[in-house]
Amino acid sequence: DAGVIQSPRHEVTEMGQEVTLRCKPISGHNSLFWYRQTMMRGLELLIYFNNNVPIDDSGMPEDRFSAKMPNASFSTLKIQPSEPRDSAVYFCASSSRTDSLEAFFGQGTRLTVV
Amino acid sequence: GQSLEQPSEVTAVEGAIVQINCTYQTSGFYGLSWYQQHDGGAPTFLSYNALDGLEETGRFSSFLSRSDSYGYLLLQELQMKDSASYFCAVRALTGGGNKLTFGTGTQLKVEL
Repeated sequence: DAGVIQSPRHEVTEMGQEVTLRCKPISGHNSLFWYRQTMMRGLELLIYFNNNVPIDDSGMPEDRFSAKMPNASFSTLKIQPSEPRDSAVYFCASSSRTDSLEAFFGQGTRLTVV
Repeated sequence: GQSLEQPSEVTAVEGAIVQINCTYQTSGFYGLSWYQQHDGGAPTFLSYNALDGLEETGRFSSFLSRSDSYGYLLLQELQMKDSASYFCAVRALTGGGNKLTFGTGTQLKVEL
């Protein structure tokens, strides 16, 4: 398996623009997590899905952030409109079961909002 | 919610043994796991504990005490390539799912 695949790897955008980050989890995994990593706040859990259903989105910072998982092999995280403080590395991770203690991370998307 | 505490930085010499501690507060605790992250890379899974005791995986071992809400990662025979950030993570049962929350990370520097 190719592992968790995220795209794009790098994104530079202007403030106010819409940004969409994409994630393909490992086939057969039924939990998917979106994290944001910054020096100041570490690895923050934004939202997670079990069997394509959003379970907990309490970490989503504002209404500008939204996430979807239309099927078991694809998820998106959208920021609209983007702001400079959204600049961070965004990771997607998946695990094979809803109670698994092992999660597999994608390589991340480094987002820079100027 | 969940909270996890780790030391921010640890320094050790090559060949030595180092222990990275993690204390946590959470309801619905399911297990504690450890991840390694090199600069510019993604976190990668190292070890987990769902039950009390020590789990050994090569040079890395992890320990859990559920009654103390405490765990540690033990790295033996340190190598330069072990210089990285190490995160503990709690999986806890919340509202229909199992949430995976990470600590703030410990930066390990291995010196000659």
